[in-house]
Parts: sequence; C-alpha cells; structure tokens
Amino acid sequence: QVQLVESGGGVVQSGGSLRLSCAASGFNFNTYGMHWVRQAPGKGLEWVALIWYDASDKYYADAVKGRFTISRDNSKNTVYLEMNNLRAEDTAIYYCGRRERSHVDLWGQGVLVSVSS
Amino acid sequence: QLTQSPSSLSASVGDRVTITCRASQGMSRYLAWYQQKPGQAPKVLIYSTSTLQTGVPSRFSASGSGTYFTLTINSLQPEDFATYYCQQFNSYSLTFGGGTKVEIK
Repeated sequence: QVQLVESGGGVVQSGGSLRLSCAASGFNFNTYGMHWVRQAPGKGLEWVALIWYDASDKYYADAVKGRFTISRDNSKNTVYLEMNNLRAEDTAIYYCGRRERSHVDLWGQGVLVSVSS
Repeated sequence: QLTQSPSSLSASVGDRVTITCRASQGMSRYLAWYQQKPGQAPKVLIYSTSTLQTGVPSRFSASGSGTYFTLTINSLQPEDFATYYCQQFNSYSLTFGGGTKVEIK
C-alpha cells in the first residue's frame, strides 16, 4: 500500500525541540524528493522544507531556516524534520509529502505539533 | 504570492463553481490545485495547470496562464464541499494560495 505515516508530534514548551518522522511504504522512496508542509489551526497550507531524493540538496522556508533540519534515511524509507527553538507560531499540523515534479502527489495524514508559551 | 478568490462561497448541488488564483508575477505552467476536507490531508486534483490527477472525476477542470488561473467544478456534488488551494512551484519551494472554502447553500 502506497502511503506516508508521520509520527513524533506532541506538546512542547517554547524554546524546546521535537523530531518528526515520516515513514514511506509501497513505492521506491529513494527516487523521490520529500516535502514537509504545515497548517496552523484554521489556517492555510505553508511549505516548510524539501529534501532531494538522495539528500544532496535541502531547502527551507525563511520562517524555519536555522531552526529546522530536514534529513532522510533511505535504508529506512524515512524522512525526518528536526525542529529546534520552537515558537508558538510553529504550532500546526505537519504533513510530509512526496514530491512529484512541481506538486505533492502523496500526503501523510499529518501530525500535530503544539508549542506552549 | 498567490491570491485566491473568493475566500469562500456557497453553492448548491449541481451548480457550476469557478475559483480563481492570481499570481503576483508571471509564472510557469506549474500550478496545481488541491482539495482538503476537514480533518484530512490535502489531495491533488490538478497539476501542470490543467492535467487531471489519476482518479479525479472529470467534473473538475482547470486552465490559465501567466498570472491568472482557474479551477472549475461542473455539477457540484455533495462530496465536493471542501476547501481548495492553488499552489505554485518555484525551483524548490511551494507557495500556496489562501484557500477557498466551498460550502453548501
């Protein structure tokens, strides 16, 4: 079954850290770039980060640059998002998504990150 | 930057609905449309401006170029009530429109 399953969300205090995981199955994970996209409560979608299929390139939104790190382990079919120095405005549902050229063609179910001040 | 309009609309089953997405500057043909229902992840409907994703009903169509793009739903069905987002691709980043909520009249 082709799917993405996120985990690792939770409640964390402002300034804290969290690592999200996204486990892929049912497709050749090591041939796809992967995105993280987030959605604050009641708000729209916001792109967070992209990692190339072989981790040779990584890109970040300005809002998270220097605080978040995207990585992947192709032997485990998993992409990660390490989040440090979390702020209240990082509170959101975080989705991982499979990059297909110019769009995301497969999404995980999302994981909630709540940052308390 | 992508600006969607309207931000919300009310329509009846069977109606034809059109949502617009304007880019702040001219862009490539790499525009996509997503549907998101409450409590669910987004789902791609259209990519490369007008290509229907496999499995998406043909009542969905899209077109556009430059800075003006549209998504049309012909004969709105009960399962189409949702929020719709446009998305553009710039080398590596994704930019999303603010969303259009389609509600039942």
